[in-house]
Amino acid sequence: QQQVKQSPQSLIVQKGGISIINCAYENTAFDYFPWYQQFPGKGPALLIAIRPDVSEKKEGRFTISFNKSAKQFSLHIMDSQPGDSATYFCAASDSGGYNKLIFGAGTRLAVHP
Amino acid sequence: DAGITQSPRHKVTETGTPVTLRCHQTENHRYMYWYRQDPGHGLRLIHYSYGVKDTDKGEVSDGYSVSRSKTEDFLLTLESATSSQTSVYFCAITPRDGTGELFFGEGSRLTVL
Repeated sequence: QQQVKQSPQSLIVQKGGISIINCAYENTAFDYFPWYQQFPGKGPALLIAIRPDVSEKKEGRFTISFNKSAKQFSLHIMDSQPGDSATYFCAASDSGGYNKLIFGAGTRLAVHP
Repeated sequence: DAGITQSPRHKVTETGTPVTLRCHQTENHRYMYWYRQDPGHGLRLIHYSYGVKDTDKGEVSDGYSVSRSKTEDFLLTLESATSSQTSVYFCAITPRDGTGELFFGEGSRLTVL
C-alpha cells in the first residue's frame, strides 16, 4: 500500500511561475514531513522539512504548507527558475520509527526559460 | 558533507549471480539505510541498521540481506540477483540523531541481465 501519495507525476512551469506539488499521507503517527530534491545522477538532498506543530514553513523561495486535519502537505516554489528543474520527493516518518522515511513516487519538474 | 561512499557506482551482472554493494561512512553515524529507487515508486526502504550487528527489514526486503560488522560499513547483498532487482540503490545515514533527516549517497546503479 502506498502510504504517501504524490501528485502530479510531472510538471512544466514557466520561469518566474509558481510550482506546486502535493502529497497526502495515511498514517496519523507520521510527525516529520521533508521534501527532497534530486538532480540526475545524484542522490536526493533535503530541501525543506516541517513538523505538524506548524502549518507553514518558508525557506527562501520554497514553502511547505501543512494541513493536519486533511493529512496533506504541499511544496510551493515561488519564482521558479530553470535551475529548479529536478525531481522532487515528499516523504514522511514517525519519530519512534528509526527515521524510516516513506517516500512519495516523485514529481519531475521542468522550468522553461 | 556526511562522508558517504558507495561502491561500486555501476555494475552489470547476470541473473543468478551474487552481488554485494558497499556503503562506507567516515563519521560514526549510528543509523544507516539502504533504499532502492525505481520509476513510479520513489525510494523504498530495503533494510536499515541502528548499530553494529543491529539490522532490520524495510518494506521491500525480500531477496536482500545486509550486514554491519563495523560502524563505518553497511553491506547490501543480493544472494541470487534477478532482473527485478535492476535498480539504483542508495545508502543513507542520519547526520544528526533526533532530527529525522536522512543524507543520501550518490547511488549505485545495478543492471541484472
